[in-house]
Amino acid sequence: GDKVKQSPSALSLQEGTNSALRCNFSIAATTVQWFLQNPRGSLMNLFYLVPGTKENGRLKSAFDSKESYSTLHIRDAQLEDSGTYFCAAEASSGSWQLIFGSGTQLTVMP
Amino acid sequence: EAAVTQSPRSKVAVTGGKVTLSCHQTNNHDYMYWYRQDTGHGLRLIHYSYVADSTEKGDIPDGYKASRPSQENFSLILELASLSQTAVYFCASSDQGDTQYFGPGTRLLVL
Repeated sequence: GDKVKQSPSALSLQEGTNSALRCNFSIAATTVQWFLQNPRGSLMNLFYLVPGTKENGRLKSAFDSKESYSTLHIRDAQLEDSGTYFCAAEASSGSWQLIFGSGTQLTVMP
Repeated sequence: EAAVTQSPRSKVAVTGGKVTLSCHQTNNHDYMYWYRQDTGHGLRLIHYSYVADSTEKGDIPDGYKASRPSQENFSLILELASLSQTAVYFCASSDQGDTQYFGPGTRLLVL
């Protein structure tokens, strides 16, 4: 089965609303990274997380290693937030290898 | 801001031919990675390297070789390209255990 499972697989939002994306891990993740792939295909790093939370503008992310999940909250969604969001987990300390989820395709509508 | 470049940006190759994808980073990072992305899916790690002249296998290394001739450069080599290797290939770099910075990707079509 999937070692990193993302939900939902697709999501549509009205501009100005809030949403949460989730990743569940079936591996012992030590760190988590969140990326946004824009419609042109470029990947941008949003967060690098050890267990805990981080916030950047309208984005907030949390990683709970004991419960094996991570979340990404988007507040006041804007059109430019559209794209595919990926989470990726480092499988074991020191490996530096990331295991990616299949992504959440987000569409923000005016 | 981290800078990772890839060349070519797109390529059409014939089955059985040799393909070399190149990656260059100016971040002074020790770690470099090659991933492939298939349509509608996440990225999967092919090869990575943490020092020049050494490479390591990732999750899906079969059919691929890698070369790290210097800290800045990391190549992915398909000796005998196959139809199943049609995908988008991403290179990334990072410091040890830190944020990975990705290149723009290379679209490879094998016919």
